[in-house]
Amino acid sequence: DTAVSQTPKYLVTQMGNDKSIKCEQNLGHDTMYWYKQDSKKFLKIMFSYNNKELIINETVPNRFSPKSPDKAHLNLHINSLELGDSAVYFCASSQVMTGEAFFGQGTRLTVV
Amino acid sequence: AQTVTQSQPEMSVQEAETVTLSCTYDTSESNYYLFWYKQPPSRQMILVIRQEAYKQQNATENRFSVNFQKAAKSFSLKISDSQLGDTAMYFCAFMNNNDMRFGAGTRLTVKP
Repeated sequence: DTAVSQTPKYLVTQMGNDKSIKCEQNLGHDTMYWYKQDSKKFLKIMFSYNNKELIINETVPNRFSPKSPDKAHLNLHINSLELGDSAVYFCASSQVMTGEAFFGQGTRLTVV
Repeated sequence: AQTVTQSQPEMSVQEAETVTLSCTYDTSESNYYLFWYKQPPSRQMILVIRQEAYKQQNATENRFSVNFQKAAKSFSLKISDSQLGDTAMYFCAFMNNNDMRFGAGTRLTVKP
């Protein structure tokens, strides 16, 4: 049973389109994250949520909007996609008391 | 925000040998977690080892151990008896208060 699951695993879309990536965790964790991994493998935090509340919003363009309907879900919606948005996006979750973060399998987004 | 620095972009080691990956971080916090994650070509993020800052004893997990120097803000990973399956990107990470930051990564190649 997958702990953190992201869908879709691959996403190819044209510039200007709007797309969403879904993330769900069944670990009962309070905190969820979105990271962007660029072509140089650098992992940059985008957002973190704790119990549906936004904690970190790291200089991300307004075209990116996270939504957390409950603490088990953190979805990422991207408007007006640009070529530079092409990357792998990782969702993760963690529990403050233990610290360890579990990652989804990543979504490879390609904007053409 | 906290920063994490990995100064070795690439390293290689012969199978069965020992290799040490370096990591330094900058923070004013006293309580935090430190991690090493492995990312093989499958792109899955796999936790290798975890250290709580309040624990003086260095964490060990089978062939993996860390040298945690809190005053120096240093957290290196030692891999003993390297195996071909250890070939991957290795990321050092710092976590505090729902904020988890990664270093730029070290690409490790284990040669037969």
